[in-house]
Amino acid sequence: AAGVIQSPRHLIKEKRETATLKCYPIPRHDTVYWYQQGPGQDPQFLISFYEKMQSDKGSIPDRFSAQQFSDYHSELNMSSLELGDSALYFCASSLQLVGPNEQFFGPGTRLTVL
Amino acid sequence: AQKITQTQPGMFVQEKEAVTLDCTYDTSDQSYGLFWYKQPSSGEMIFLIYQGSYDEQNATEGRYSLNFQKARKSANLVISASQLGDSAMYFCAMREPSNTGNQFYFGTGTSLTVIP
Repeated sequence: AAGVIQSPRHLIKEKRETATLKCYPIPRHDTVYWYQQGPGQDPQFLISFYEKMQSDKGSIPDRFSAQQFSDYHSELNMSSLELGDSALYFCASSLQLVGPNEQFFGPGTRLTVL
Repeated sequence: AQKITQTQPGMFVQEKEAVTLDCTYDTSDQSYGLFWYKQPSSGEMIFLIYQGSYDEQNATEGRYSLNFQKARKSANLVISASQLGDSAMYFCAMREPSNTGNQFYFGTGTSLTVIP
């Protein structure tokens, strides 16, 4: 069965650079969630989208923005990167009508900021 | 105050035994959801089980069950008949409404090691 796809899987950036992380949800899933997990930390909820509209907002820094496109894929844009942004970024998807509480996670994008 | 508290940083269990991973939560909302996730050493996050605040029965999914005690604000995960593949980090999480939509909070996790 198709799973959540995230690209790239690994990304290395310099301080003050920008990065774009992509998430392709499971086909027909209408909700996407973004999480940030620092080294040895618990995941922190960043933001979520339902039917291309922002639905929930967590601890997403102002330097980050995200959107969900018409094909339901989502992108997390990160600007003015800081060392503290180094983390594993998870995307998850769900289908609100059938299983809103079951989030299927992607493999994550490991971002390293040097 | 911590929204989700997992007091067991590490747990060991003998293969085929049952184990309980503790989780307490803090919310003043009546409508909330509780989740458990498994994160193996490979890093992926795997959904295990969900309990809604209005669900009267404890959630079960195969070998996983959630011992939901609403008055005590606890949502312990019980894994029966532990297998070696259960060795992983386990996170308890909560969804609660806020003025910016739902918020999701994770605990600090419990590292479970299953001993042959």
